[in-house]
Amino acid sequence: DAGVTQSPTHLIKTRGQQVTLRCSPKSGHDTVSWYQQALGQGPQFIFQYYEEEERQRGNFPDRFSGHQFPNYSSELNVNALLLGDSALYLCASSFSRSIQYFGAGTRLSVL
Amino acid sequence: TQLLEQSPQFLSIQEGENLTVYCNSSSVFSSLQWYRQEPGEGPVLLVTVVTGGEVKKLKRLTFQFGDARKDSSLHITAAQPGDTGLYLCAGPRGGAGGTSYGKLTFGQGTILTVHP
Repeated sequence: DAGVTQSPTHLIKTRGQQVTLRCSPKSGHDTVSWYQQALGQGPQFIFQYYEEEERQRGNFPDRFSGHQFPNYSSELNVNALLLGDSALYLCASSFSRSIQYFGAGTRLSVL
Repeated sequence: TQLLEQSPQFLSIQEGENLTVYCNSSSVFSSLQWYRQEPGEGPVLLVTVVTGGEVKKLKRLTFQFGDARKDSSLHITAAQPGDTGLYLCAGPRGGAGGTSYGKLTFGQGTILTVHP
């Protein structure tokens, strides 16, 4: 049984570009949450998707957007990249309101 | 301002020593979770504590939830190099119940290094 899978594992972009990160939830899970983790810090909640709708959102600008597909997989899009967007982006999945399981993350570097 | 404050931020000890990591908040949490994260990996859930005063043991790790559900601690006995990693406490915000769902708020983490 595959756990939460994220792609790509690493990504390098330049300022102003746009990026799309992808997440496949653990089998049987219907809820996907996205977090941003700066180096040496705890993860910060970006938003959560359930039934293809954004259910909750953290304190992130509108440059951060997402989508959930009918198969429960999800994408995180970031527009107009800034240097400060460099971080590890984590996806977590859960079944409804149960415990969240994390993927290994996508390391984004913005130059 | 961090909703969950962890201390210490860094801990460097020798194999065999004991240690305690603290997670404190001014807010009440319905539950708190402890995660361990290794470089290049996502956080892995170690335990969830739900009841005030609860103590849970996981081999050499002992977790405690404060009576008022505002703080928690992680104690490791006879630390080993394999315990090295980033330890994170986290709690759910915006909902009730004893499970982890919705927005998870994390502490800033404690980086533990255990030297052989």
